[in-house]
Amino acid sequence: DSGVTQTPKHLITATGQRVTLRCSPRSGDLSVYWYQQSLDQGLQFLIQYYNGEERAKGNILERFSAQQFPDLHSELNLSSLELGDSALYFCASSAGTSNQPQHFGDGTRLSIL
Amino acid sequence: KNEVEQSPQNLTAQEGEFITINCSYSVGISALHWLQQHPGGGIVSLFMLSSGKKKHGRLIATINIQEKHSSLHITASHPRDSAVYICAVRGYGQNFVFGPGTRLSVLP
Repeated sequence: DSGVTQTPKHLITATGQRVTLRCSPRSGDLSVYWYQQSLDQGLQFLIQYYNGEERAKGNILERFSAQQFPDLHSELNLSSLELGDSALYFCASSAGTSNQPQHFGDGTRLSIL
Repeated sequence: KNEVEQSPQNLTAQEGEFITINCSYSVGISALHWLQQHPGGGIVSLFMLSSGKKKHGRLIATINIQEKHSSLHITASHPRDSAVYICAVRGYGQNFVFGPGTRLSVLP
């Protein structure tokens, strides 16, 4: 058990809809990372937050947004969903801002119909 | 050319064999990560390296910054080592770039 909790585990929705994925980091970790894993593109880094502030940004679409709350949990919001957004979305956490081991959640599987 | 390449793409070994998975990258990095993804999808971080060598149990990871190359070694391989092994580099811009993964099957 990594200590990182992601909800929901599975999500099925339709094109054009909006969903929110939630992540609770391991106790004591201040950084949260979001990743997308699709069949055709592999793992991609989306965004990192550290103690409530955006720390690094990767290949995150404008339709996607994230935030980290004062209790350190994070949410990833995906809007105007397209078929290509179907993927596994992982959250990971680490103690510090960079170059520390990350602990991964079990992922949320998003299916767009 | 992809920024992060791994070889081999697929690897089948007999239980007990010594295994090496290679990762080459083309950008300057602040750190390199080795990840393990099991068939169920879960991801475990195995190592985070910025120089030299690290060992954890039967796993050894090395990195050569000058040659932009890292290797992951598994000694005395076991069927439970069957997984996809992914190399990821963190650039100075703090972005992560992932390799395509190496699918390892260890047969009993």
